[in-house]
This record gives sequence, C-alpha cells and structure tokens, in this order.
Amino acid sequence: KNQVEQSPQSLIILEGKNCTLQCNYTVSPFSNLRWYKQDTGRGPVSLTIMTFSENTKSNGRYTATLDADTKQSSLHITASQLSDSASYICVVSAGNTDKLIFGTGTRLQVFP
Amino acid sequence: KAGVTQTPRYLIKTRGQQVTLSCSPISGHRSVSWYQQTPGQGLQFLFEYFSETQRNKGNFPGRFSGRQFSNSRSEMNVSTLELGDSALYLCASSLAGPNQDTQYFGPGTRLTVL
Repeated sequence: KNQVEQSPQSLIILEGKNCTLQCNYTVSPFSNLRWYKQDTGRGPVSLTIMTFSENTKSNGRYTATLDADTKQSSLHITASQLSDSASYICVVSAGNTDKLIFGTGTRLQVFP
Repeated sequence: KAGVTQTPRYLIKTRGQQVTLSCSPISGHRSVSWYQQTPGQGLQFLFEYFSETQRNKGNFPGRFSGRQFSNSRSEMNVSTLELGDSALYLCASSLAGPNQDTQYFGPGTRLTVL
C-alpha cells in the first residue's frame, strides 16, 4: 500500500535553532517527492520538488534531502524564524497512478 | 499574476443540505484538483479535472462530485451533507497536472456541517 509517514507529529523549537523533519514513504513506483509549507488557515505552498536522481535541493533556509534507496526524505530548516511556524507536509507522487500521496504533516512551532 | 481563488471562504450548513464550492485557477492552468483536509486525516485527494474532463478520482462516495468549465474554473458539489464532511476544502491548479508540475493551492473553503 502506498503510504507516506512523517515524524515527528509536532515539534517546538526556539527561534534561531535548526531542526530536521522526517518523511518515510512506501510508494512504488516513485516519481517525485515534494515538501509543502502550510500556514494556519491557508493553502499549502510548495517548497521543493525532487525527482529520483536528485538527493538535495534547497530553497533559502530550507534544504530537502532524498535517499531513494531507503525511501526517506528530510527537510532541514536553518536558523528558524517565527514565520516558520506552520505545518510541513511531505507528498510523494506515484508514477503509475498520476496521484499524489500526502503525509499527515509535522506541526512546527517556533517560539522567541 | 493572480493566485488560485476559492469562494466562499467559510460556509455553515446543516445535515442533509447540499453545497457548491467554486475554484478559479491561475490563468493558463488547465488542471484543477480538489482535496479535503481534516485534522485527523490530513489532505485527501477528491478528484482532478483537466480540460473539462475528470482525469482522476479519489476514494470518496458519490455524494462528492465536481465539474470544470471551458475557462478552467471548477466547482465541487457535496450532496446530503453529513457531520463528517466538516473540513477545509482546498483546490489546487497546475499547468499540466499534479504529477507533472508544481501545484498552487487556494486558501480553501472552511465547511462546517451542523
């Protein structure tokens, strides 16, 4: 069964600290993996998209990694800011169904 | 360039009623997807339309339906509302499809069923 699992479910960090969010998937065949940021009350916004051949991709202070062999991805946030408080959703695209499989997200709270 | 817009933003209905939600994609985008988001289930795929045709469908009952117009605007209808239909309904648009390129999400319609 195609699944995407994220950990931790929630995370609290202090402003300025770094953090790493995890995503494990059992989607086959794999097409691409995306990370989205969703602020409270708003729609998700794409942060990165990675295909099978890419193992790192950055977007400002956000760096996503992908290990297609172990089927794991991580999202690293550097020097966190209050505006990073949001839910981060990992999404994997299944190549044979043209469908996206969503993780349930990690809720990040950054405190001053 | 205007983003994806959804109307209405908030809606309160009672059980048994029906509701229609509207989504206007980014200009030039032909693919529109709909999602239901609840705290416990996360984002669940409802269906995707491309050039007025439903191209993919998720595992939702027939009470959930949609359509797309020639200008790519899309509507989603839920009939015989149930309490469990309370959720944030998101639509997303892309040029060719959710699997092909970046999806841009609208702000969502918050539906509350009493």
